[in-house]
Amino acid sequence: AQTVTQSQPEMSVQEAETVTLSCTYDTSESDYYLFWYKQPPSRQMILVIRQEAYKQQNATENRFSVNFQKAAKSFSLKISDSQLGDAAMYFCADLGAQKLVFGQGTRLTINP
Amino acid sequence: GAVVSQHPSWVICKSGTSVKIECRSLDFQATTMFWYRQFPKQSLMLMATSNEGSKATYEQGVEKDKFLINHASLTLSTLTVTSAHPEDSSFYICSARDSLAGDYEQFFGPGTRLTVL
Repeated sequence: AQTVTQSQPEMSVQEAETVTLSCTYDTSESDYYLFWYKQPPSRQMILVIRQEAYKQQNATENRFSVNFQKAAKSFSLKISDSQLGDAAMYFCADLGAQKLVFGQGTRLTINP
Repeated sequence: GAVVSQHPSWVICKSGTSVKIECRSLDFQATTMFWYRQFPKQSLMLMATSNEGSKATYEQGVEKDKFLINHASLTLSTLTVTSAHPEDSSFYICSARDSLAGDYEQFFGPGTRLTVL
């Protein structure tokens, strides 16, 4: 069975600083994909970044990057130069066996 | 990215009545659609997966007779909550994927808030 664990229910960071959100996963699939989604107060799910498990290189999207440690089954998200608009719930997710499984979420607060 | 819409965005109904929620893919063919439920301050929980023209596959613990899913076309899926009760009040989110294009990414609708009185 797939499981995704986010051990940080809440995180806060000063504006312009860097923050890292943790995520671990467990899957029996050899081919899978990992995602970070952002859910602002509007509750619209927004894809932040994705990583194909077969790629060794960590994905990067502007201020967002991941640290993908396949052997450790770890997939953390780093947000650089945090902005007020980054405040939201962040969900880590694993797509394996055609099913997208989400972690519990981390609420990120940006302090001005 | 691709756009998925949901209608209505918010619905209030009386206990015992049925409510239908629509999910549409606006600019792509959604061969596979997914329905999630999200309770306040919780994560998204997959309820069911549907492929166009086939019966939906429900997750363990989800009553298929209570949550009727129809995916009759490549752009429309509906979720009907039958005989709704207050405990069915939740935020329902659909997502869609064009499986035939070999694309694994899912595109999410804006969600529907259901309140059962």
